Amino acid sequence: GESVGLHLPTLSVQEGDNSIINCAYSNSASDYFIWYKQESGKGPQFIIDIRSNMDKRQGQRVTVLLNKTVKHLSLQIAATQPGDSAVYFCAENRGTYKYIFGTGTRLKVLA
Amino acid sequence: DAGITQSPRHKVTETGTPVTLRCHQTENHRYMYWYRQDPGHGLRLIHYSYGVKDTDKGEVSDGYSVSRSKTEDFLLTLESATSSQTSVYFCAISDPDGQGGTEAFFGQGTRLTVV
Repeated sequence: GESVGLHLPTLSVQEGDNSIINCAYSNSASDYFIWYKQESGKGPQFIIDIRSNMDKRQGQRVTVLLNKTVKHLSLQIAATQPGDSAVYFCAENRGTYKYIFGTGTRLKVLA
Repeated sequence: DAGITQSPRHKVTETGTPVTLRCHQTENHRYMYWYRQDPGHGLRLIHYSYGVKDTDKGEVSDGYSVSRSKTEDFLLTLESATSSQTSVYFCAISDPDGQGGTEAFFGQGTRLTVV
């Protein structure tokens, strides 16, 4: 079942290519950022995070870049696979409990 | 997956009836949250809890109440359901470690339809 917005921006990528998903955050006071993946009918799943004292962080096939000057966050997925098809959204965290979530980008992987 | 269970997973209810959604965690995380997710919106915080019997309002708390009598359980109640409360509801947990923010882990969601 559909659990996220029906009119999200969509990124279509050929299988095997790299994907770059962007996110603008709202508050320069945010000090911690997270990328989530949400598949249809499921809850958001943690992918990778980064703190504001870093510019880049790498995980398995994923890299997050943080540009604090322009308040921009990006998620790079290397060698995109069909299983990567989902909605991706960023979250910014201020303090202990306050998370602000973006509306997301739908990634479609073309065979 | 983090040990978070939401129940029920799906519910259809009539306008004006009370509804309670349950979130159960096995991670012993201090913070628990209820969010709703609607088309065109990001996840919006309804209520959160920072300990047993310690709760506070989020940005869209009107029409909702919560209770946390045990670390592992966080209940969301719609006192008198309205059609505007038709949504997908997610429970989340986190455990800040004093070093700054930490990731929130989410349950699988409850799809609530108010008719």
